[in-house]
Amino acid sequence: ETGVTQTPRHLVMGMTNKKSLKCEQHLGHNAMYWYKQSAKKPLELMFVYSLEERVENNSVPSRFSPECPNSSHLFLHLHTLQPEDSALYLCASSQEGMGQPQHFGDGTRLSIL
Amino acid sequence: AQSVTQPDIHITVSEGASLELRCNYSYGATPYLFWYVQSPGQGLQLLLKYFSGDTLVQGIKGFEAEFKRSQSSFNLRKPSVHWSDAAEYFCAVGGLIQGAQKLVFGQGTRLTINP
Repeated sequence: ETGVTQTPRHLVMGMTNKKSLKCEQHLGHNAMYWYKQSAKKPLELMFVYSLEERVENNSVPSRFSPECPNSSHLFLHLHTLQPEDSALYLCASSQEGMGQPQHFGDGTRLSIL
Repeated sequence: AQSVTQPDIHITVSEGASLELRCNYSYGATPYLFWYVQSPGQGLQLLLKYFSGDTLVQGIKGFEAEFKRSQSSFNLRKPSVHWSDAAEYFCAVGGLIQGAQKLVFGQGTRLTINP
């Protein structure tokens, strides 16, 4: 496989469930990102990992918990979510350094019941 | 702080017509600018990028963009659109956080193509 792969593609969960989103990149990149895409809003950067270290947490509620065990994998652990958390969650990766383009996965469509 | 404005939420053009999507940015230094495209049910795909040098940048799928510092603009153009160009287009400005690229996106412009 090549590029950035996200699983699952669709997820429906109740507010009390715990689930995880997975992202895997096969591009040899060393920075990874989580974004939230809601209807009629710009993409919101949630988390940034560079060399497996979290370098940005953009005021994201604690019910979202990222994990980056190595430079190829990124997880977003979800618990006790709210209906307003329903959105498309996009993962991206890039090489470190200014001007390096980010490569995106196809996203996980999350619906909270 | 960095910001990006895409003034047009939705644009409709006829197939074969020319296209220009507007993007204005705010950034304190020389900006790194990107255009991405998103088709339904998919992630974002990079169309082109500008860092320095020639202010007219060529991208994939026949797209180009022109950087105009005096107008703080980075408009995307295509001389003749195809039905397959119908998608959402995002302009972004890049900055660095501890080595990693941080992108700030505009709200996007949805492009509809009339046959």
